[in-house]
Amino acid sequence: EVQLVQSGAEVKKPGESLKISCKGSGYSFTSYWIGWVRQMPGKGLEWMGIIYPGDSHTTYSPSFQGQVTLSADKSISTAYLQWNNLKASDTAMYYCARSYSTNDYGMDVWGQGTTVTVSS
Amino acid sequence: EIVLTQSPDFQSVTPKEKVTITCRASQSIGSRLHWYQQKPNQSPKLLIKYASQSISGVPSRFSGSGSGTDFTLTINSLEAEDAAAYYCHQSDSVPGTFGQGTKVEIK
Repeated sequence: EVQLVQSGAEVKKPGESLKISCKGSGYSFTSYWIGWVRQMPGKGLEWMGIIYPGDSHTTYSPSFQGQVTLSADKSISTAYLQWNNLKASDTAMYYCARSYSTNDYGMDVWGQGTTVTVSS
Repeated sequence: EIVLTQSPDFQSVTPKEKVTITCRASQSIGSRLHWYQQKPNQSPKLLIKYASQSISGVPSRFSGSGSGTDFTLTINSLEAEDAAAYYCHQSDSVPGTFGQGTKVEIK
């Protein structure tokens, strides 16, 4: 069974750093893109960026470029989303999702989500 | 960036009624348009890919159509369990984008 399992909920203070994870199983982790999607409380889905674990090639949405960093460790089939300077406005649910294939960014399997709360 | 505009934003529907949700792209995206269902406190779930391709395990009352800039998600004979938010998503170009969502409520 193809699965993406994300790390647990986080509570942080403004200015702190954070790295959340997304571990893939049941498929070839290096052959599919992993995308990240933000959902702020009560709001819709926002596409943040995507990484290809095979070579760590990344593409960011302009809205998130410079605000977050995507990375992956293919040796442990895990993708990461990282912040260096959290803001209260980063409070949201974050999902990772797998692409259909190497050639398309459409997403089929989703993680369970990681809640990030940033509050002083 | 391609903008996806869904309509309506909200729909209140009685069981067994037919639901139609549209998604319009700001430029042609071929068939690289996908539909997701998100129930409260759950992750999004893929319903339809490439505008009209069905997904294994998704009830047959869900169907999609369209190409280019105009797309439709149809739910035939709505059931109570279909209460959810529905999103379209394009993967034709980066950045990927989502529609703003359509909330379907059961009367």
